[in-house]
Amino acid sequence: GAGVSQSPRYKVAKRGQDVALRCDPISGHVSLFWYQQALGQGPEFLTYFQNEAQLDKSGLPSDRFFAERPEGSVSTLKIQRTQQEDSAVYLCASSLGVQAGAPNEQFFGPGTRLTVL
Amino acid sequence: AQTVTQSQPEMSVQEAETVTLSCTYDTSESDYYLFWYKQPPSRQMILVIRQEAYKQQNATENRFSVNFQKAAKSFSLKISDSQLGDAAMYFCAYRSAYQGAQKLVFGQGTRLTINP
Repeated sequence: GAGVSQSPRYKVAKRGQDVALRCDPISGHVSLFWYQQALGQGPEFLTYFQNEAQLDKSGLPSDRFFAERPEGSVSTLKIQRTQQEDSAVYLCASSLGVQAGAPNEQFFGPGTRLTVL
Repeated sequence: AQTVTQSQPEMSVQEAETVTLSCTYDTSESDYYLFWYKQPPSRQMILVIRQEAYKQQNATENRFSVNFQKAAKSFSLKISDSQLGDAAMYFCAYRSAYQGAQKLVFGQGTRLTINP
């Protein structure tokens, strides 16, 4: 596919369960981002990868959140012991590179809507 | 830390008319990028237009144009000849030009309704 894909599109979890959300970036894109979007709000940054290196995880809300991108392509966002406040849409985005002075446009996937009961 | 503020939670416009969405931001940096993203109900975020802070000329993309006022830290989006397909959430976003700072900082969004 030409765009960023995410799976599953919808996930319902019981409080305390672990979940794993997958992101397939555009082929060849070096940078990958995860954002969390609460209902009616703008997306908020969670974490950023350049290839397989996680360069910024300052937005992860707690140590229950963990992200990886082991081969510099597909990424997984894992949430352990889910809480109701984790309910949100999780957006993945990728961009071609990190050239200084370039806008490095981010292309977004459709998101995964997580509902924690 | 940078912040982005969209003071209009909702806007509506008649089809074929013009509407302006407001955005202000706060930063101490001199070089950065500003973006407007559109998010239709399907949730896929789409880039509408971008502006480099070092460029004085306002960006234009077909029916979409911006009014970038760097001193005032204002970045509004004007949509001309509004179409039904323009109905969506619109987000203003900021990104530092510093190579190590790649994340986007978003505003709260403006829901745009187009009245036929």
